[in-house]
Amino acid sequence: QVQLQESGPGLVKPSQTLSLTCTVSGDSISTAGYYWSWIRHHPGKGLEWIGYIYHSGSTYYNPSLKSRLLISLDTSKTQFSLKLSSVTAADTAIYYCARESSSSSAFDYWGQGTLVSVSS
Amino acid sequence: DIQMTQSPSSLSASVGDRVTITCRASQSVIRYLNWYQQRPGKAPELLIYAASNLQSGVPSRFSGGGSGTDFTLAISSLQPEDFATYYCQQSYTIPRTFGGGTKVEIK
Repeated sequence: QVQLQESGPGLVKPSQTLSLTCTVSGDSISTAGYYWSWIRHHPGKGLEWIGYIYHSGSTYYNPSLKSRLLISLDTSKTQFSLKLSSVTAADTAIYYCARESSSSSAFDYWGQGTLVSVSS
Repeated sequence: DIQMTQSPSSLSASVGDRVTITCRASQSVIRYLNWYQQRPGKAPELLIYAASNLQSGVPSRFSGGGSGTDFTLAISSLQPEDFATYYCQQSYTIPRTFGGGTKVEIK
């Protein structure tokens, strides 16, 4: 059974960098055919796709966040990470990591989510 | 970006009712359309992928249809555990985009 778990600070100051890690168990993030993704949910609003990384290290970012975003892979630790720089209150959200399968083109496994608040 | 519009944004229904939710894309996504269920405090869960394919383990009372720009999610007989928020999502192009959600509440 594939499981994903987000970890990282729950509070970030404005203008600083938000850093989260997703630890994957029950699957290898080096396996072809999966895109390891970050998605966020703003309070009272809808879901926003942030971006994802393929096992090869290729990344695909939401253009609205691209200038501030870095997603990376650590295959030795079966983890992938998100760094979002220059955060503002608008970046306050629940952040999810998820797996998109290339066979279904859908997010078939999700982490439980972690709330990140941006405040001084 | 492809805009996804769901309707209604909320609905009230009773256990046993048939419920239909619609999702419209701002341009054709062919059949690259997925549906998710999100219960309060939980992560979304995949229900339907590629417009009409039931994800493993999902009850058969859920069904999806449509192609191009217009899609539907139907629940044939609403159960207590189905009261939740439902989201559509296109996987035709980058960036992936989601609908605004449909909250299904108990009448």
